[in-house]
Amino acid sequence: GAGVSQTPSNKVTEKGKYVELRCDPISGHTALYWYRQSLGQGPEFLIYFQGTGAADDSGLPNDRFFAVRPEGSVSTLKIQRTERGDSAVYLCASSRQGHGTEAFFGQGTRLTVV
Amino acid sequence: GQQVMQIPQYQHVQEGEDFTTYCNSSTTLSNIQWYKQRPGGHPVFLIQLVKSGEVKKQKRLTFQFGEAKKNSSLHITATQTTDVGTYFCADSGGSNYKLTFGKGTLLTVNP
Repeated sequence: GAGVSQTPSNKVTEKGKYVELRCDPISGHTALYWYRQSLGQGPEFLIYFQGTGAADDSGLPNDRFFAVRPEGSVSTLKIQRTERGDSAVYLCASSRQGHGTEAFFGQGTRLTVV
Repeated sequence: GQQVMQIPQYQHVQEGEDFTTYCNSSTTLSNIQWYKQRPGGHPVFLIQLVKSGEVKKQKRLTFQFGEAKKNSSLHITATQTTDVGTYFCADSGGSNYKLTFGKGTLLTVNP
């Protein structure tokens, strides 16, 4: 596609439920990132993939968060036992290589935990 | 970890006025990237600064990287209503991939 695609655009879930957020990066981009953005804040780094492997997952807040990219393209961010504090916009970005090159962000998934 | 401070948090201007946002760090910045996020939108890359003292221009936008690489600025000349949005600076740190964003400066423009 022309840009980074994220689905769903909005997700409302009950506290304690499991959610999956999907990211479809720009074709040919080997680097993929997940960020989380709360209201009035800048994006906060969660995890970085280079190809299929998670090169850096140091930003994941705890073990309820997990992300995969099994074929080096589409990535899924998985959140178990959601909490109200997980409510935020989850942004995915991709770039040709690492962040030394321009990162292209998707429109984000707005997650609301009620 | 690396912290990037941005000021001001908000700026309201009349159309045609100039605007500047500043990005500061207590430690040396690696590469600075600037992004613009329209209300309800996603961050869009504007530019990357790498060298000490670097100045880059994009039409009415001027980006500077401080000599000591501890600060950066974005200046917009003669603002237009299309400039409305939040401007973020982000440092890539030594990793060259993990961006640390400032909190951003929200610019509103009165037509």
